[in-house]
Amino acid sequence: NAGVMQNPRHLVRRRGQEARLRCSPMKGHSHVYWYRQLPEEGLKFMVYLQKENIIDESGMPKERFSAEFPKEGPSILRIQQVVRGDSAAYFCASSPSKVNGETQYFGPGTRLLVL
Amino acid sequence: TQLLEQSPQFLSIQEGENLTVYCNSSSVFSSLQWYRQEPGEGPVLLVTVVTGGEVKKLKRLTFQFGDARKDSSLHITAAQPGDTGLYLCAGLTQGGSEKLVFGKGMKLTVNP
Repeated sequence: NAGVMQNPRHLVRRRGQEARLRCSPMKGHSHVYWYRQLPEEGLKFMVYLQKENIIDESGMPKERFSAEFPKEGPSILRIQQVVRGDSAAYFCASSPSKVNGETQYFGPGTRLLVL
Repeated sequence: TQLLEQSPQFLSIQEGENLTVYCNSSSVFSSLQWYRQEPGEGPVLLVTVVTGGEVKKLKRLTFQFGDARKDSSLHITAAQPGDTGLYLCAGLTQGGSEKLVFGKGMKLTVNP
């Protein structure tokens, strides 16, 4: 049973470019979460999505960041006009259902470097 | 803002020693998860504890969830170099959105 897949694993962008990060949840999982890990910091929640719905985006920066989880295909985290402060590891997690205490399984992450 | 404080933040020990990592909060969580993360990789789930007072064992690792579901501990017996890594605790918020609140982690180095 394949785990959570993320690609690319590493992404280099210049300031002002767009970054697209992809996440395929585990088979049978319909809930996706995105977290960001800055150097020497803990993981911070960004957004929680179900198929075609954003459930909680309270951790998303107000501008330049967006996320989607279409009916078909992977979840996408999109960062427009990247800045150096966006450099971080971005992790996706998935869970099978909204059951209180449901475990979240993490992907290997995408490491974004903005030059 | 719900915060999880982990202590110690860094620990370097010799092979065969025992250690305990603490994870504390003033907030109540519906469950608490422990992960281990290696450099360049994502967090790998070790255990989920749900019930206050619950104790779970995973080989040489013992996890405990506080009675009030605000704190947790991880005890490792006879540490081995393969235990080296970043240990993260994460609490699942109650009600509404199921987002995890993470501590900053405890970086463990076990020397041969």
